[in-house]
Amino acid sequence: EVQLLESGGGLVQPGGSLRLSCAASGFAFSNYAMSWVRQAPGEGLEWVSATGGSRGRTYYADSVKGRFTISRDDSQNTLYLQMTSLRVEDTAVYYCAKGAEMGDYLSHFDYWGQGTLVTVSA
Amino acid sequence: QPALTQSSSASASLGSSVRLTCTLSSGHSNYIIAWHQQQPGKAPRYLMKLERSGRYNKGNGVPDRFSGSSSGADRYLTISNLQSEDEGDYYCETWDSNTHVVFGGGTQLTVL
Repeated sequence: EVQLLESGGGLVQPGGSLRLSCAASGFAFSNYAMSWVRQAPGEGLEWVSATGGSRGRTYYADSVKGRFTISRDDSQNTLYLQMTSLRVEDTAVYYCAKGAEMGDYLSHFDYWGQGTLVTVSA
Repeated sequence: QPALTQSSSASASLGSSVRLTCTLSSGHSNYIIAWHQQQPGKAPRYLMKLERSGRYNKGNGVPDRFSGSSSGADRYLTISNLQSEDEGDYYCETWDSNTHVVFGGGTQLTVL
């Protein structure tokens, strides 16, 4: 059974930093691209970033480019999102999502985690 | 880059059928999409991948009541025999394999 468990959310001041983690199990983690998707309160889904499954390519939404860094530790089956220079508008539930296709490129998501809440406020 | 348009809301009666629409932007009518369901207070759940041909592949455990179809740039999700647990938000997703993923704005479905 595929499981994705996010952690690391919390309250942070504007300009601060936070690192999210996503522990994966139930599939060959290293073979799949993994993404972070966020949802601001009362809003829709917004893709944030992804990392590929073999050569480890990285992808970012324009809204976070230069501030967020995605990484993965395939030996620990864990995905990370390092967030810096946080803004009030980064407040959201952050979901970890698994790409459906094996390989380094983006595809649709076939499994989602339960999410972790990040609140950026003074 | 592709964009997706969805109606903001839809409603239908318990036991009836409803068809939700996701429209791809001009020049992107060949793109594959995926449908996701988000019940109130829960994480999204993958429903299906849907091609321009109308062929679809559903996720594990998705009931037979859910089906997909396509016409030109429109991608449809049809839910038959509506149940109360079908109430929630439905999002379509597409992607450029080399650059980014994009979601539609979501359709809030109310079961009357």
